[in-house]
Amino acid sequence: QKEVEQDPGPLSVPEGAIVSLNCTYSNSAFQYFMWYRQYSRKGPELLMYTYSSGNKEDGRFTAQVDKSSKYISLFIRDSQPSDSATYLCAMSNSGGYQKVTFGTGTKLQVIP
Amino acid sequence: EAQVTQNPRYLITVTGKKLTVTCSQNMNHEYMSWYRQDPGLGLRQIYYSMNVEVTDKGDVPEGYKVSRKEKRNFPLILESPSPNQTSLYFCASSLSPPYEQYFGPGTRLTVT
Repeated sequence: QKEVEQDPGPLSVPEGAIVSLNCTYSNSAFQYFMWYRQYSRKGPELLMYTYSSGNKEDGRFTAQVDKSSKYISLFIRDSQPSDSATYLCAMSNSGGYQKVTFGTGTKLQVIP
Repeated sequence: EAQVTQNPRYLITVTGKKLTVTCSQNMNHEYMSWYRQDPGLGLRQIYYSMNVEVTDKGDVPEGYKVSRKEKRNFPLILESPSPNQTSLYFCASSLSPPYEQYFGPGTRLTVT
């Protein structure tokens, strides 16, 4: 079983829809939770990160972490065609051991 | 401009011929890391470095070497490349802890 599981999609939604992307994990030591966006033929770029549990909002993007369920989510409101990309979750523990584990990514297509 | 650079961007080589992929960052970041990205497997960490002369294995270190003699540079060395190392490689850097990694543009390596 992988430490981080992510549905690969693809996920197709109409423009303006609310998108929900999710990851589950098995390592209870993870404390940092990150979401990256990767356009085709580009390196990933950080969208948001959260530390421990809770919600974080940045414009149209909201990240949620539920450590009790080992489940994290990224919500995209009013989705745009420019949001079409692969979304990767990533996790890391704290305390000096800084290995980062990524999910396999979910490919999102927003249709105009 | 803050950036992570990788060279070469594309490389085709033969089995057993030693190669080095260079990575350099101009942001004075302590943390640097190498990943490989393969379809269906996502981003997997090869090695990471928390500072000069401090490196550690990620999830898939076999067949790779790294060194961190200067803060800005983190080369990836394949002493004897094999076809199963054909992949897309990304270098990344961040302040420590690594919750905001900046990725390079990627190096597509083909080993025949």
